[in-house]
Amino acid sequence: AQSVAQPEDQVNVAEGNPLTVKCTYSVSGNPYLFWYVQYPNRGLQFLLKYITGDNLVKGSYGFEAEFNKSQTSFHLKKPSALVSDSALYFCAVRVGIKAAGNKLTFGGGTRVLVKP
Amino acid sequence: GAVVSQHPSWVICKSGTSVKIECRSLDFQATTMFWYRQFPKQSLMLMATSNEGSKATYEQGVEKDKFLINHASLTLSTLTVTSAHPEDSSFYICSARDSLSSYNEQFFGPGTRLTVL
Repeated sequence: AQSVAQPEDQVNVAEGNPLTVKCTYSVSGNPYLFWYVQYPNRGLQFLLKYITGDNLVKGSYGFEAEFNKSQTSFHLKKPSALVSDSALYFCAVRVGIKAAGNKLTFGGGTRVLVKP
Repeated sequence: GAVVSQHPSWVICKSGTSVKIECRSLDFQATTMFWYRQFPKQSLMLMATSNEGSKATYEQGVEKDKFLINHASLTLSTLTVTSAHPEDSSFYICSARDSLSSYNEQFFGPGTRLTVL
């Protein structure tokens, strides 16, 4: 079984400061990892993914994430947070990227609040 | 880019009625679509996997007779909540998997908020 943990329910950060949202995972096999952002009453927007290759992945809106196999982590980072980054962030994992039936498993979500 | 739409975006209905939610992939074909349910301040819970031309696969604990899924074409899946009750009130999100994508990319719709009175 695969699982994802986001240990922080909420992260508060001042605008302009670095932002980190933590994610750890547990899978049998090679993980394929994703970050999504959700604004109120909206669906999920894709931020970035790790499939293979470089451990540091760059995504939308200045976000990046680092895949760390030994620590089974995929933390999301942004060097300088904006008030508009305030939203709900989800980490997700999938095993077997090419198998059509494989499903995404989501973490519990982390609410990010960026204060001016 | 790949776009997934949902209709309606919000719906209010009376208890005991049925509500249909549509999920469409607008610019790609999706042999597989997924239906999720999200309660306030919680994560997405997968309800079922919708397969074009065949029966949906439901997750454990999800009543297939209550949540009817039809995936009649490569661009459309529908979720019908039958005999809705207030506890069915939730945010329903669909996603569609791009069949031709190298990595079976999954794209999410904007969600449908259902309120059952």
